[in-house]
Amino acid sequence: DQQVKQNSPSLSVQEGRISILNCDYTNSMFDYFLWYKKYPAEGPTFLISISSIKDKNEDGRFTVFLNKSAKHLSLHIVPSQPGDSAVYFCAAGLSGTYKYIFGTGTRLKVLA
Amino acid sequence: KAGVTQTPRYLIKTRGQQVTLSCSPISGHRSVSWYQQTPGQGLQFLFEYFSETQRNKGNFPGRFSGRQFSNSRSEMNVSTLELGDSALYLCASRLVSLRSNTEAFFGQGTRLTVV
Repeated sequence: DQQVKQNSPSLSVQEGRISILNCDYTNSMFDYFLWYKKYPAEGPTFLISISSIKDKNEDGRFTVFLNKSAKHLSLHIVPSQPGDSAVYFCAAGLSGTYKYIFGTGTRLKVLA
Repeated sequence: KAGVTQTPRYLIKTRGQQVTLSCSPISGHRSVSWYQQTPGQGLQFLFEYFSETQRNKGNFPGRFSGRQFSNSRSEMNVSTLELGDSALYLCASRLVSLRSNTEAFFGQGTRLTVV
């Protein structure tokens, strides 16, 4: 049972436009969410996180939105740059359990 | 500040053999987790260690085991290797805080190929 789902395996966006990556989860007990970026042959790099007590968190070009009632979070990248081309993973965690459940990833391609 | 270091980067093993992977966390990070990444499956949680104790375990067979040393370095062992164990194994370390959740920082991974 996949508790964290990223239903779009890939996404292509023009440089300068907005990239929106989506993630759904099934366990309403999750209270901490993260986004990671991964380049080939490298480990995932932490991008941004959000606690369930918030509905938005912003860091530069990256904004994460959390909709708890819909059990949905999204990552917005504005403006998108070619260097953003990578696989993006969302992850969910439950305080005190010390593990994250990851989605299967979305491959973002930003076209110059 | 050095990042998470995993050794070796690449391994080729034969079915039935065993393998040990090593992970050195970021200095000061006492929590170390292991994940398996295979195509189409995302990152699957294996286990997490803190203060030399396994605190949580994923749904993997007993052939997968790990340990953590007093300096927070961790090792993961897979015995009786199967072809399906071929994957990228990632280690992540975290600064454990009682007041808030913290993000995990990943190493570059060990690419294990079982032939």
